Amino acid sequence: GESVGLHLPTLSVQEGDNSIINCAYSNSASDYFIWYKQESGKGPQFIIDIRSNMDKRQGQRVTVLLNKTVKHLSLQIAATQPGDSAVYFCAENRRKLIFGQGTELSVKP
Amino acid sequence: DAGVIQSPRHEVTEMGQEVTLRCKPISGHNSLFWYRQTMMRGLELLIYFNNNVPIDDSGMPEDRFSAKMPNASFSTLKIQPSEPRDSAVYFCASSPGTGKDGYTFGSGTRLTVV
Repeated sequence: GESVGLHLPTLSVQEGDNSIINCAYSNSASDYFIWYKQESGKGPQFIIDIRSNMDKRQGQRVTVLLNKTVKHLSLQIAATQPGDSAVYFCAENRRKLIFGQGTELSVKP
Repeated sequence: DAGVIQSPRHEVTEMGQEVTLRCKPISGHNSLFWYRQTMMRGLELLIYFNNNVPIDDSGMPEDRFSAKMPNASFSTLKIQPSEPRDSAVYFCASSPGTGKDGYTFGSGTRLTVV
């Protein structure tokens, strides 16, 4: 199959806490994944990507983990801030981007 | 760079009317994508172009939808005739086209068909 799905539709965290957003994919041949952030009224914005020859990649306050054995990836946001409130999508790139459903992250002050 | 530019930002039209959405990709990007976003179906790829040539239009819902890319700096998505169920946010995105890169999305066109 070609589905890319998310485990949780909503996530609420306290400001300053770490957030973890999960994503499952079904195609074991997939070799490139991207996380996007979409704020209200805007288009999806690239956050971080990872190739299948890696199991971890870090950016500024964000880390993506890839577990090819169970076809799972996660996005970790450190010290979550109110500005991180948005919908987060994982996407699988095989000539075209296939998006998951999205997880809405809500940050409580 | 101004990013991917879409117009109009909002469009309200009556059922049966023709609607044309426009997109200017990032200069130098070889691939262009049209997506539709709804609450029920999420982000769906409608069609994508590589070097101005349509590569995959399997996501185009029906013959009422058509897309063109007459040159590297412009693309249109047309709906004729429009129906209320076409109401959605339509996004255009572009990428360098290497196959292992992220897309840059425009701000979208919110279409309402009444």
